[in-house]
Parts: sequence; C-alpha cells; structure tokens
Amino acid sequence: AQSVTQLGSHVSVSEGALVLLRCNYSSSVPPYLFWYVQYPNQGLQLLLKYTSAATLVKGINGFEAEFKKSETSFHLTKPSAHMSDAAEYFCAVSFETGANNLFFGTGTRLTVIP
Amino acid sequence: KAGVTQTPRYLIKTRGQQVTLSCSPISGHRSVSWYQQTPGQGLQFLFEYFSETQRNKGNFPGRFSGRQFSNSRSEMNVSTLELGDSALYLCASSLETGPFYEQYFGPGTRLTVT
Repeated sequence: AQSVTQLGSHVSVSEGALVLLRCNYSSSVPPYLFWYVQYPNQGLQLLLKYTSAATLVKGINGFEAEFKKSETSFHLTKPSAHMSDAAEYFCAVSFETGANNLFFGTGTRLTVIP
Repeated sequence: KAGVTQTPRYLIKTRGQQVTLSCSPISGHRSVSWYQQTPGQGLQFLFEYFSETQRNKGNFPGRFSGRQFSNSRSEMNVSTLELGDSALYLCASSLETGPFYEQYFGPGTRLTVT
C-alpha cells in the first residue's frame, strides 16, 4: 500500500535551534514528495517539492529536505528556528504524473520556544 | 495576482440538509482540487477537476460531488449532511494537472453540521 507517515505530531524547539521534521513514505513506484505549511486559519502553502531531480531540495523560508530512497524518507530541516516558523507542517506524496491527488501525512505541529 | 478564494468562509448546517461550497481559482489555472480536513482523518483528497472534467476522485461517498465551470470556477456539493461532514474544506488550484505544477490552496470553508 502507498502511504506517508510523519513521526511526531508535536515538535518543540528553541529559537535558533535546528528544526527536523520527519516524513517516511511507502511506495512501489517513484513518488513525488512535498512539504506544506499551514498557519492558523489559513490554507496550505508549499514549502518545497521533490520531483525526481536533485535529491536535496531547497524551499522557501530557509527550509530544505533530502530525498533518501534507501530510507524511504523525506525529512524537512531548517538550521535555525524562528518564532515565525511555529505552524503545522504536512508531508504529502503523489504517485501519478498526471494527477493532483495528494496523500497527506497526519501533520506535525511545530512550537518554537523563545 | 489574486489568490484562490473560497466562499463562504464559515457555514453552519443541520443534519440532512445539503450544502454547496464555491472555489475561484487563480486566473489562468485550469485544475481545481478539493480536500477535506478533519482532526480525526487529517487531510483527504476529494476530487480534482480539470477543464470541466473530473480527473480523479478520492474515497468518499456519492453524497460528495462537484463540478467545474468553463471559467474554471468550481463548486462542491454535499447532500444529506451528516455530523461527520463537519470539516475544513480546502480548494487548491494549479496551472495544469500533475506534481510538476504547484497547487495553491485557498483559506478553506469551515463547515459545521449540527
């Protein structure tokens, strides 16, 4: 079965500390992988995506993610957390080149401690 | 350029009623996708419309339906509302269909069924 799993529904980091949000996928075909962020009472905003080009993907707001096929992972990182990074983060996967149906993980709520 | 707009933003309905939600995509975008977000089930894909045709459909009962007009605006309809239909309904638009095109999400319509 094809799925995506986010480990840790809540992550707390101190301001200035490394942010690491974990995402693993299960797929029998090459996946397309995405990270989205959702601020309270807002829709989702794309942070970055992997579409089989470079395995290290840089996104907006200083975030990046590395696609590791051997580990079936696509973890999101940011070297130094800012207060404005507090939000909910969703990993998503698509398995079709001609479709927009994303499968989302359950989300990770990031809290940044001043 | 204006973003994705969804109307209404909030809605309260009674069990058994039906509801229609509207989504206006970014100008020039031809694909519109709908997602349901609930605390229990997370984000789930409902369906995608591209050039007025339903391209993909998620695993939802037939009470959930949608359509797309020639100007790419889309509506989704839920008939015979159940308490479990209470959710945030998100609409996303993209230029074309497929993972190579970014999906832009609207702020959502929060539906409460009493």
